[in-house]
Amino acid sequence: QKEVEQNSGPLSVPEGAIASLNCTYSDRGSQSFFWYRQYSGKSPELIMFIYSNGDKEDGRFTAQLNKASQYVSLLIRDSQPSDSATYLCAVVHFGNEKLTFGTGTRLTIIP
Amino acid sequence: NAGVTQTPKFQVLKTGQSMTLQCAQDMNHNSMYWYRQDPGMGLRLIYYSASEGTTDKGEVPNGYNVSRLNKREFSLRLESAAPSQTSVYFCASRTGESYGYTFGSGTRLTVV
Repeated sequence: QKEVEQNSGPLSVPEGAIASLNCTYSDRGSQSFFWYRQYSGKSPELIMFIYSNGDKEDGRFTAQLNKASQYVSLLIRDSQPSDSATYLCAVVHFGNEKLTFGTGTRLTIIP
Repeated sequence: NAGVTQTPKFQVLKTGQSMTLQCAQDMNHNSMYWYRQDPGMGLRLIYYSASEGTTDKGEVPNGYNVSRLNKREFSLRLESAAPSQTSVYFCASRTGESYGYTFGSGTRLTVV
């Protein structure tokens, strides 16, 4: 079992709809969770992080964390073509120097 | 404020040649990392440095060496390049345990 699992996609969502990206993790000691966006040919860019159970909102983005079920999700409201990218989930165990990444979900927003 | 700077951006090597990838950060971060990214494989950690003067192996260290020259700079060396090392290499840094990485723009390396 991979430590961090994501559906590789591609996930296609119509423009203006909500895109939902999911990530599960195996280490129950994981305490910090990150979402990165990576455009084709570019480096990953941090867009959201969450530490506590529940929802965290930042503009059109909402991160959701459920530690009991060991999943973290990213919702993108009012999806735009510029949101088309690969989204990477990453987790870290407190005291661990290294983030563990999923392989990413490729999202395509259809105009 | 440049963040994390990697050089070069592109490189073509012949099998057996050596080269050093340079990385520097100006954010006073303690930890620095080298990853490679291959299609379908995601980001794989090569080496990391939790602080100046320390380095540790990651998931795929074979064929690579690193040097943490000072707090700002962390270099990755390929002593004898192989076609299997064709990849995109990312350097990243991090300020502390609760924080994510800041990535450099990457080096696209082709070994022929």
